[in-house]
Amino acid sequence: NAGVTQTPKFQVLKTGQSMTLQCAQDMNHNSMYWYRQDPGMGLRLIYYSASEGTTDKGEVPNGYNVSRLNKREFSLRLESAAPSQTSVYFCASSEQGELFFGEGSRLTVL
Amino acid sequence: SQKIEQNSEALNIQEGKTATLTCNYTNYSPAYLQWYRQDPGRGPVFLLLIRENEKEKRKERLKVTFDTTLKQSLFHITASQPADSATYLCALRYSTLTFGKGTMLLVSP
Repeated sequence: NAGVTQTPKFQVLKTGQSMTLQCAQDMNHNSMYWYRQDPGMGLRLIYYSASEGTTDKGEVPNGYNVSRLNKREFSLRLESAAPSQTSVYFCASSEQGELFFGEGSRLTVL
Repeated sequence: SQKIEQNSEALNIQEGKTATLTCNYTNYSPAYLQWYRQDPGRGPVFLLLIRENEKEKRKERLKVTFDTTLKQSLFHITASQPADSATYLCALRYSTLTFGKGTMLLVSP
């Protein structure tokens, strides 16, 4: 039982490049989330999906897009990466309030 | 906007003592409050949830209190062990879950 799986674990991009972070959960949860974590800032919500077919903006959505591909998968896309998007990205899923997190994707934008 | 405050300074205690971490918030009380543990390089792991109408919750060596008058939650680890060393995050549920910045706990042998 893998829980929440994120890929890739590490990525280095140049400014202006695009990439997609993938997230999949095997717990049959309805809700999925993308957070970013920066030193001194804590975890901040980028986008979330309360159920398959819906997505909503969180606290810091600018520069990101998401796709809830199906109940299992929720991807985060950076269309034109900026150095300010250097961060650790966490995907999470939930059903009854408790969040289950992936191990994180460490992204560096040069 | 809602503000969540956790002590940014690390808490250093000796093994066997009780560790107490604080989470304060402004404005109105959340539907519930959660505590998570995060180890370096890992994702947060859920520990406890306490609802607005509950005063205290326990799980093994962990205890959480929730005082809506003081707008504060206290997180206690009794008989602390070096393995309890980690960063502890509180999170408040409004329309979504909002996290504090976390407090690092260091338990020395």
